[in-house]
Amino acid sequence: LAKTTQPISMDSYEGQEVNITCSHNNIATNDYITWYQQFPSQGPRFIIQGYKTKVTNEVASLFIPADRKSSTLSLPRVSLSDTAVYYCLVGDNNSGYALNFGKGTSLLVTP
Amino acid sequence: AAGVIQSPRHLIKEKRETATLKCYPIPRHDTVYWYQQGPGQDPQFLISFYEKMQSDKGSIPDRFSAQQFSDYHSELNMSSLELGDSALYFCASSLGAQFSNEQFFGPGTRLTVL
Repeated sequence: LAKTTQPISMDSYEGQEVNITCSHNNIATNDYITWYQQFPSQGPRFIIQGYKTKVTNEVASLFIPADRKSSTLSLPRVSLSDTAVYYCLVGDNNSGYALNFGKGTSLLVTP
Repeated sequence: AAGVIQSPRHLIKEKRETATLKCYPIPRHDTVYWYQQGPGQDPQFLISFYEKMQSDKGSIPDRFSAQQFSDYHSELNMSSLELGDSALYFCASSLGAQFSNEQFFGPGTRLTVL
């Protein structure tokens, strides 16, 4: 399993763009990069997934450079309700189905 | 849309007692996962089932067992409960057992062991 490293915490003001970078230096060729969000006392929620380049959905963008050794989750114009823990996970479809959560990034959004 | 259902939502047990947690996946989802999240900790994978067969195993204690039934619901059985078992237990389901398949999490069962 590729080890991931993220900042422990980040602070932002409402309306700003937040970028959370995850390092995964030993990512394998078949690995996907997935991000989940978790609010206190709630189950994690899927945000976005990618393999290479850029992926965008209605809530976030995921930027993956060509070497795939890192990825950046971008949250545009955050609101107070985006305060949560964000997890970066890396895995492939052949070596296990589970999500092995590491240390996520605790994002605090203030007015 | 239907979500993952977990019952009970809260459970209080004494040490050395047993507990059974239930999970009802989203209709047509064939894969169920169990996760444990202790206070201030990150979720830890316990065990998963695909089409009623165990598909992956994580850090599940030998005191715990689980199964997936013919209707795809799953139960996590916990025996000889210890204080350290106090945690939120999440069940998740997905369509197909692959890492790239989105997992949908339930609201969790909060287990308190006294």
